[in-house]
Amino acid sequence: EAQVTQNPRYLITVTGKKLTVTCSQNMNHEYMSWYRQDPGLGLRQIYYSMNVEVTDKGDVPEGYKVSRKEKRNFPLILESPSPNQTSLYFCASSPGQTTGELFFGEGSRLTVL
Amino acid sequence: KNEVEQSPQNLTAQEGEFITINCSYSVGISALHWLQQHPGGGIVSLFMLSSGKKKHGRLIATINIQEKHSSLHITASHPRDSAVYICAVIFNGNQFYFGTGTSLTVIP
Repeated sequence: EAQVTQNPRYLITVTGKKLTVTCSQNMNHEYMSWYRQDPGLGLRQIYYSMNVEVTDKGDVPEGYKVSRKEKRNFPLILESPSPNQTSLYFCASSPGQTTGELFFGEGSRLTVL
Repeated sequence: KNEVEQSPQNLTAQEGEFITINCSYSVGISALHWLQQHPGGGIVSLFMLSSGKKKHGRLIATINIQEKHSSLHITASHPRDSAVYICAVIFNGNQFYFGTGTSLTVIP
């Protein structure tokens, strides 16, 4: 089954404790991206990757890091989480940035205390 | 400034009604997506458009590049269509920008 898998789905952590949200896709997609969704602000893009070893900043990259060492994986790293990073996070993939539909993961709800 | 505006913000319809959701954007785009988000949070891609019109079942999406405008139509609406519909665009660059969504409720 074609899917994008994110883990963890839910996480409560404390300020400053490094965490990684994993994202994996099984569709051989070149394009992968991370988004956060906040009430009143909607979805905003954090980082995206056009292909392996190619990543770029989205609209709200501050406080986040990503890497794309393999085509299927695109982890989101919060080196020193802060309460303003409490949000619902989505990973998505597509064949190319402007080709094909976007496939979203189920979302990861992160709370930073 | 790259802006995406959706209207209406909220929409309530009776089952069977024809529904239109609109999306306008400020500058030229590479592509536009329509997304659906059900209560509980999962997001599904409905359409990707760069020109013209696409149809899938009861859903129709159109885009007018010159007018910088796209519409999502739902024919013969059903309660299971109740969701938030989100317009997402890629401006002539590489980033995605999103509308704030249209919350649709279809009453039986």
